[in-house]
Amino acid sequence: NAGVTQTPKFQVLKTGQSMTLQCAQDMNHNSMYWYRQDPGMGLRLIYYSASEGTTDKGEVPNGYNVSRLNKREFSLRLESAAPSQTSVYFCASSAHRGSMMVAALGEAFFGQGTRLTVV
Amino acid sequence: EDKVVQSPLSLVVHEGDTVTLNCSYEVTNFRSLLWYKQEKKAPTFLFMLTSSGIEKKSGRLSSILDKKELSSILNITATQTGDSAIYLCAVMNAGNMLTFGGGTRLMVKP
Repeated sequence: NAGVTQTPKFQVLKTGQSMTLQCAQDMNHNSMYWYRQDPGMGLRLIYYSASEGTTDKGEVPNGYNVSRLNKREFSLRLESAAPSQTSVYFCASSAHRGSMMVAALGEAFFGQGTRLTVV
Repeated sequence: EDKVVQSPLSLVVHEGDTVTLNCSYEVTNFRSLLWYKQEKKAPTFLFMLTSSGIEKKSGRLSSILDKKELSSILNITATQTGDSAIYLCAVMNAGNMLTFGGGTRLMVKP
């Protein structure tokens, strides 16, 4: 099915280990996002990429890096995992265009999430 | 910094009740407001609102945006147990940054 593909689905890391979460979308969307969701909470934006070649910090960027490899792919890297990074991570994409003159297309599509545990 | 606040945090109702969920926001260069339903996995899209006063409706769910009050409501009529979920509100700014609120956890009892 078309949409947003996120890997892996589950991961356990030891404190200090590094890993990269992969995200790819095949909808030709301009914008991509990484969120984390902690128990009972909404989604907090880690980083986003409004268009290919750009990335910006969100609400909780510390401890993370991102790469917008091309229009399809947006990866999230944890260089030195910490227990506080135990969370469910969601990647999303949307078709908003860059111009303010164009009405937003709106809907963001989500990957199925990565459950990460750091011990 | 863009901010989205949802209320109530949680809500327990019985089947058949009507509920209203609230979302208020502060955003630089507002573009749109979106509602999502999250059950066990990824959020699923419900509505996108860009203009004040125009109700969007889908079955028993409806939503409206008030740009003057910087808020939106999501109404669910004749609730069913399948409506139990976390409902998330998000705002998109002109820079394509999408910020979510903390969600409202709705539980519908039979």
